[in-house]
Amino acid sequence: QSALTQPASVSGSPGQSITISCTGTSGDVGAYDYVSWYQQHPGKAPKLIISDVSRRPSGVSSRFSGSKSGNTASLTISWLQADDEADYYCCSYTGASTLLTFGGGTKVSVL
Amino acid sequence: EVQLVESGGGLVQPGGSLRLSCAASGFTLTNYYMHWVRQSPGKGLVWLSRINAVGRGDYAYSVEGRFTVSRDTAQNMLFLQMNSLRAEDTALYFCARGLYDRHLDVWGQGVLVTVS
Repeated sequence: QSALTQPASVSGSPGQSITISCTGTSGDVGAYDYVSWYQQHPGKAPKLIISDVSRRPSGVSSRFSGSKSGNTASLTISWLQADDEADYYCCSYTGASTLLTFGGGTKVSVL
Repeated sequence: EVQLVESGGGLVQPGGSLRLSCAASGFTLTNYYMHWVRQSPGKGLVWLSRINAVGRGDYAYSVEGRFTVSRDTAQNMLFLQMNSLRAEDTALYFCARGLYDRHLDVWGQGVLVTVS
């Protein structure tokens, strides 16, 4: 199972919106609405910010939103803030023996 | 407070074994699917293994046959037995709570394993 494809880096200025894409296949992202997104600050554990394509867990800012079209999922961060600077990973259920596959990660920089 | 705390990491020679532990608090481990994920230095997240509510383990191709996931219901602990370790197994290992296999909502802080 290949990793999902994410851009290596995305940047934006405070207050702007950015979108991170996550491209999989018809066997993972395209087959299931079980795409999740994780934020990881340096030296910290990942934190769930989006589940089931577009659900926000309790306590996660409404500035984070998720969507999916075909084999590509997307994470949008609106009103970019300095604390949003982190690595972001998408993840999809695959239904295969390797149950979950992650993207390679996207480093978000706030200019 | 819902929390996961890993332990058992360290330095091991190639071909050696190590057993990682993950202590769960604030919830009953057997009510959830529990996962192991690792992150090699400077790299991304990689899913390794999961034990479901009835105790069945599933594994990524890269570790199948070498790693075994298990749990102790009395201690509310999760384990990962790692055998035949290779240099490429060097990583930070996280345990995580799953809502089935849909997403991972609680993560431990990670434990470092170095194979050298």
